[in-house]
Amino acid sequence: GQQVMQIPQYQHVQEGEDFTTYCNSSTTLSNIQWYKQRPGGHPVFLIQLVKSGEVKKQKRLTFQFGEAKKNSSLHITATQTTDVGTYFCAGRFHVSGNTGKLIFGQGTTLQVKP
Amino acid sequence: EAEVAQSPRYKITEKSQAVAFWCDPISGHATLYWYRQILGQGPELLVQFQDESVVDDSQLPKDRFSAERLKGVDSTLKIQPAELGDSAMYLCASSFTGLGSPLHFGNGTRLTVT
Repeated sequence: GQQVMQIPQYQHVQEGEDFTTYCNSSTTLSNIQWYKQRPGGHPVFLIQLVKSGEVKKQKRLTFQFGEAKKNSSLHITATQTTDVGTYFCAGRFHVSGNTGKLIFGQGTTLQVKP
Repeated sequence: EAEVAQSPRYKITEKSQAVAFWCDPISGHATLYWYRQILGQGPELLVQFQDESVVDDSQLPKDRFSAERLKGVDSTLKIQPAELGDSAMYLCASSFTGLGSPLHFGNGTRLTVT
């Protein structure tokens, strides 16, 4: 079936260290989105990647989409305590016409020690 | 900023009872999603609507769950009868289109089945 696998499940880092989470699909995606969920909150949209090999940056966050549009990564440089939360990738699988269903990965929970 | 409205925020029910959740998406958003999120896991897509039509409900347990979006605006998700394993957060989200738009989530309904 259509699944999106995400690793690692948890990551504990010291403030200032880097962090990376990886996302993988068995089939080609139309696009991939990344969300952040703070404890007790709901997922909040971060970014969308559409093109093969695309790289986008948001301050200390770097997002990549693989050449085959089956995998993606999020890298945070020099983590801060404000980065704490769970990061989800969500892969868009084309259904029909202009519609695709969005399947979330299991998420990576980031803890940052000050 | 416009928000996705969900009610109730919390619901406690006994097993075998019926429960219903309501969602009002952001005005103008054609696509509406119902996700179920178990603590520590990623959101699981239950049903996706494009206007009033179901795009995907392959993961909806249809023997007990039903969802409707009659006028293509607000939506109701029903469970009858509720089971202990249904305890979870039920998240509604909407997006402008079904292929390339970010999802905006509501605050969710926390369901506890006793």
